[in-house]
Amino acid sequence: ETGVTQSPTHLIKTRGQQVTLRCSSQSGHNTVSWYQQALGQGPQFIFQYYREEENGRGNFPPRFSGLQFPNYSSELNVNALELDDSALYLCASSRQGTDTQYFGPGTRLTVL
Amino acid sequence: EDKVVQSPLSLVVHEGDTVTLNCSYEVTNFRSLLWYKQEKKAPTFLFMLTSSGIEKKSGRLSSILDKKELFSILNITATQTGDSAIYLCAWVGNRDDKIIFGKGTRLHILP
Repeated sequence: ETGVTQSPTHLIKTRGQQVTLRCSSQSGHNTVSWYQQALGQGPQFIFQYYREEENGRGNFPPRFSGLQFPNYSSELNVNALELDDSALYLCASSRQGTDTQYFGPGTRLTVL
Repeated sequence: EDKVVQSPLSLVVHEGDTVTLNCSYEVTNFRSLLWYKQEKKAPTFLFMLTSSGIEKKSGRLSSILDKKELFSILNITATQTGDSAIYLCAWVGNRDDKIIFGKGTRLHILP
């Protein structure tokens, strides 16, 4: 059974640019959630995808968007990057109807 | 506003000590409470609690939930240096599958 994978591991962008982060869910899992974790903080829920549709969203602006593909992998897109977007972005997968989520290793995004 | 509060924010103890980490929540529509251990990047799942008063146990770690008083504790007995990590608790709601994490407790075990 393969675990959750994310790419890239690190990324440096400048303010105003756009970024795409990728996540492959654990085998057998059909739901993917994305989180932003700033230094010294707990993960903050961005949104969740199930059946290729957004299924719940946290307090993040529309410039944070996502996709889920038929193989359950997912992308997080962030437009018009701001300095405060610098953080660890975690994705977690689960089976719909269960609360236990399994996390990937994260992508460390730095916005200069 | 729904929130999850963990205490203490950081803790330093010696190997062999027992620690108790706290998680209180002021939220509506409770469905479950999750505990995770975060060492470097990926939080790893420890426990899911849904029913009050039932202890979950795994080796030296155990956790219990009090739905009336809205809190959960995570106990670690006979701590080891490998227990050094950030411990996160998260509340899961019934509406919109909303999940709220606390800021975590940073635990450091001295040899």
